[in-house]
Parts: sequence; C-alpha cells; structure tokens
Amino acid sequence: GQQLNQSPQSMFIQEGEDVSMNCTSSSIFNTWLWYKQDPGEGPVLLIALYKAGELTSNGRLTAQFGITRKDSFLNISASIPSDVGIYFCAGGNTGGFKTIFGAGTRLFVKA
Amino acid sequence: DAGVTQSPTHLIKTRGQQVTLRCSPKSGHDTVSWYQQALGQGPQFIFQYYEEEERQRGNFPDRFSGHQFPNYSSELNVNALLLGDSALYLCASNSQESSFRGYTFGSGTRLTVV
Repeated sequence: GQQLNQSPQSMFIQEGEDVSMNCTSSSIFNTWLWYKQDPGEGPVLLIALYKAGELTSNGRLTAQFGITRKDSFLNISASIPSDVGIYFCAGGNTGGFKTIFGAGTRLFVKA
Repeated sequence: DAGVTQSPTHLIKTRGQQVTLRCSPKSGHDTVSWYQQALGQGPQFIFQYYEEEERQRGNFPDRFSGHQFPNYSSELNVNALLLGDSALYLCASNSQESSFRGYTFGSGTRLTVV
C-alpha cells in the first residue's frame, strides 16, 4: 500500500535555529499537506500544496511540493518554544480521497 | 463557527465489547473521514463517508463500520474490541464542493481497551 517516509523521526534544537524535515513516497500525490499535532489534540493544517514545484509560506514556515510529486519538505525558520510538537506530512489526491499520513517528526525546542 | 466535534473524549472498554464514537463535521463540510492513531504513530485511514455512503476504505477489518446521517454527522462502530484497538480515533471533515484544502480534524476520542 501507499506509504510516506518522513524524516527525521525527532529533532532536538535550540530556540532560534532553523529546522528542515522532509517526506518521500513511492506513489505520486496531487496534494501535499503539512500538519502539526499538539498533545491531546487533533492535527492542525499548516500548509497545503497543490502543484508540483510549488513553494508556499505561512509565516515562519515554508513548504515545497517536489517536482516528481513524490516528495515534500517543510522548513521552520527561527524556531520558538511553541513550535514544539509533532509534524506530519500527508499525501492526498483530488477530492480529498484517502489522505495518507507519515509517521511524524517530533520537534523539541530548548529555550 | 464550530469546528469538528467528537464525543466522547475518553472511553474505556473491555475486550469483546462494542463501541460507538460520534463526530459532527465542521459547518459547511459534507465529507467525513475516520482515522486511527496509535501511540507514537501517524493517523491511519479507516474509511470515508460521503452522501451517507462509505466510498473508500483503508486496511481495517469488518469489525470497523460506520454510518453517515443526513445532517453529515457520522458514527464509527467497532465490534469485538481487541487490546490493539486502543488508540486515538480522529474524525476529519472536508467539503466536496470546494477544492480539497486539507481536512479539519477533531480533537479525537481516546479509546482504551482493557
């Protein structure tokens, strides 16, 4: 079945550092999504990408949809303590059918 | 504008029992998807409901079933519970009329099977 490989599994960084995480798949997706999940909550959408090569920003977050449609990355600049959480990539297709999630990257930020 | 609402928030059941989880989608959304998230894992797709029908299903046994009502709310039923069914169950909604902009998730139901 479809699987997403998300890396790294976890990151320990200092406040103010930049962070980069990525996601690869053996399947092609029409949509790449990045979510953040805080403890006890459901995932919250950060960035959605709809076109191969697309680069989109949301504040300090920047994500790109890979040209091959099989990968995506998320960058966080100048990290702050509230960036702590689990970041999930997700691949989807037109109409929102069966979006597949990666296993997550756990981000820890030391003040 | 209420987001996705799930109930109950926590639930403890015994092996072999049956459970029903409920979800009200975000206002304006007509499609509901259910996910199972085991501890330390990403959400796994169970199934999706649209127009009161299951239109896509993940790799879950028939013990997992669902329903969507005319008001777009949904239920997830799990029969013959196993210890391995312990997880956070997430409901997500989206609209078919607008281009897919990602799901809106509820806060989940934490199911513990003992």
